[in-house]
Amino acid sequence: AQSVAQPEDQVNVAEGNPLTVKCTYSVSGNPYLFWYVQYPNRGLQFLLKYITGDNLVKGSYGFEAEFNKSQTSFHLKKPSALVSDSALYFCAVSRLSGNTPLVFGKGTRLSVIA
Amino acid sequence: GAGVSQSPSNKVTEKGKDVELRCDPISGHTALYWYRQRLGQGLEFLIYFQGNSAPDKSGLPSDRFSAERTGESVSTLTIQRTQQEDSAVYLCASSSPGLVFDEQFFGPGTRLTVL
Repeated sequence: AQSVAQPEDQVNVAEGNPLTVKCTYSVSGNPYLFWYVQYPNRGLQFLLKYITGDNLVKGSYGFEAEFNKSQTSFHLKKPSALVSDSALYFCAVSRLSGNTPLVFGKGTRLSVIA
Repeated sequence: GAGVSQSPSNKVTEKGKDVELRCDPISGHTALYWYRQRLGQGLEFLIYFQGNSAPDKSGLPSDRFSAERTGESVSTLTIQRTQQEDSAVYLCASSSPGLVFDEQFFGPGTRLTVL
């Protein structure tokens, strides 16, 4: 079975500092990995995905994520955090290509402090 | 419309009542998904429609839950004899057809409260 772990419920970072939101996955076969962000009172928004190719994936709003097969990780990163980045971040995985349901982690709440 | 829409945005009901939640996907999207987000939890997959194929109902938590989709458009999720543990935000998503894994576009959700 597929699963995703986000080991931190909450991440606090000062504005301007780099941020990392951690994600590890478990899946048989090749993983397809996603990050979504949920702002207060809004639906989930897609940030980026890893399907194949370069291990470093760049996405929306200056975010990037690095796929590490040996560590089964897909951590989300941003070089310089903004207060407006404060939100709930979800990592998700699928083991199948094409349009299939995703398995989501429990989410990590990011707070960027001015 | 420009995005996935859901109605109602909020629903308060009494235990034992039936509720219907509606989802309008992005036009042209053949895949439609329902997820549930309980307070402090991640998203749980409920049901998935892909074109004219039989829906994947493997995530439905009980036979009180059912969903329908009319062609490649509107979907309704029905919860019969609601229980307090059904209280959650119900999210609908859609994605475009294709062999490449396209991102899912989510609606704003329906917040269901069962008293």
